[in-house]
Amino acid sequence: ETGVTQSPTHLIKTRGQQVTLRCSSQSGHNTVSWYQQALGQGPQFIFQYYREEENGRGNFPPRFSGLQFPNYSSELNVNALELDDSALYLCASSFSGAPYEQYFGPGTRLTVT
Amino acid sequence: SQQGEEDPQALSIQEGENATMNCSYKTSINNLQWYRQNSGRGLVHLILIRSNEREKHSGRLRVTLDTSKKSSSLLITASRAADTASYFCATSLSGYSTLTFGKGTMLLVSP
Repeated sequence: ETGVTQSPTHLIKTRGQQVTLRCSSQSGHNTVSWYQQALGQGPQFIFQYYREEENGRGNFPPRFSGLQFPNYSSELNVNALELDDSALYLCASSFSGAPYEQYFGPGTRLTVT
Repeated sequence: SQQGEEDPQALSIQEGENATMNCSYKTSINNLQWYRQNSGRGLVHLILIRSNEREKHSGRLRVTLDTSKKSSSLLITASRAADTASYFCATSLSGYSTLTFGKGTMLLVSP
């Protein structure tokens, strides 16, 4: 088990609604990355936050947005939910001095109906 | 699009046998990592191999990297039922810490 926690564990939303997912990074880590994993697929990079600013973004539309707080925890917000947003959302924390060593949380399972 | 492609998609073996999974990728990389995922939960880091390394060991795991063929393999020796999981390779480009994953190999180890 890593020290990365995510909440909630499961979530069911209706198309068009908005959702906020939360991630607490491992102690000592200052970078958080978010990934989306559709069923049967590998995770896909959404974006990364470092020092409270977006530090890289994958091929996701602007309705996917995020925040990082001074304690390095992070939120992922998705507006105008679509059915294809149903997935496991994973966050990973790392330390800027060892950026490739990413520690993943257990994920949030989002279902959009 | 996903950088890595694992092969096979699924693998079923008996306890005690060895399991070999392969990963191919498309562009030059800084390093390649292997992760394990149990039942759609979080990813567990197994091993990282840098682009200037050819082989690495960790316990029952052996990873090889062939940058000329843009491929890697993960060997799990003496498999156990607890090794049943999906295994993913993930690559990182120079100067970037973001990970690009393949679709994974589902490994089933039967007692």
